[in-house]
Amino acid sequence: LAKTTQPISMDSYEGQEVNITCSHNNIATNDYITWYQQFPSQGPRFIIQGYKTKVTNEVASLFIPADRKSSTLSLPRVSLSDTAVYYCLVGDFRMDSSYKLIFGSGTRLLVRP
Amino acid sequence: NAGVTQTPKFQVLKTGQSMTLQCAQDMNHNSMYWYRQDPGMGLRLIYYSASEGTTDKGEVPNGYNVSRLNKREFSLRLESAAPSQTSVYFCASSEGTADVGYEQYFGPGTRLTVT
Repeated sequence: LAKTTQPISMDSYEGQEVNITCSHNNIATNDYITWYQQFPSQGPRFIIQGYKTKVTNEVASLFIPADRKSSTLSLPRVSLSDTAVYYCLVGDFRMDSSYKLIFGSGTRLLVRP
Repeated sequence: NAGVTQTPKFQVLKTGQSMTLQCAQDMNHNSMYWYRQDPGMGLRLIYYSASEGTTDKGEVPNGYNVSRLNKREFSLRLESAAPSQTSVYFCASSEGTADVGYEQYFGPGTRLTVT
């Protein structure tokens, strides 16, 4: 069963750029890669999604190499309010042709003053 | 526009009791999902409904049943609660299925404790 793998935790300081990488070796051809942010006691919130190359929106960038076996979420100039858990999500095709959505274990980002 | 709503917010059950968690969305989304999140862990998909009238198992379906009552509502039932089902349950919805890039909108969660 293919799963995603992320670092358990990362530390950063205000104003720095943070890059979080997710490994998804068995990603299927049609699967998109989506990143979510979660604060304590809240449901996850969508950040960004992409299929290949680079995607940028007002809060983050997503880099996906040609083989799509990994992706990197880039948060420019983080602030204290970016302290949260970040999850990457990909689909997962299984041998029985059903598909399951697999969240990674999440990366706890701590931003220090 | 409330987005995704879940009831109840908190619930305590005794082992063997049954209950239904309710979820509703007002965004006219086709797909809906139920996840559980154990303390300090990521989310695991229990069941999903790609469209009205269909349901399918996710990663951890054992001990649960679901009903897609209509396009707006997707309920999760625990027939005989067990302590291992103590968790926070999140409902989500999306316009299309999330594996092909549709953004999921999550509810606030239901915190369930089984003693």
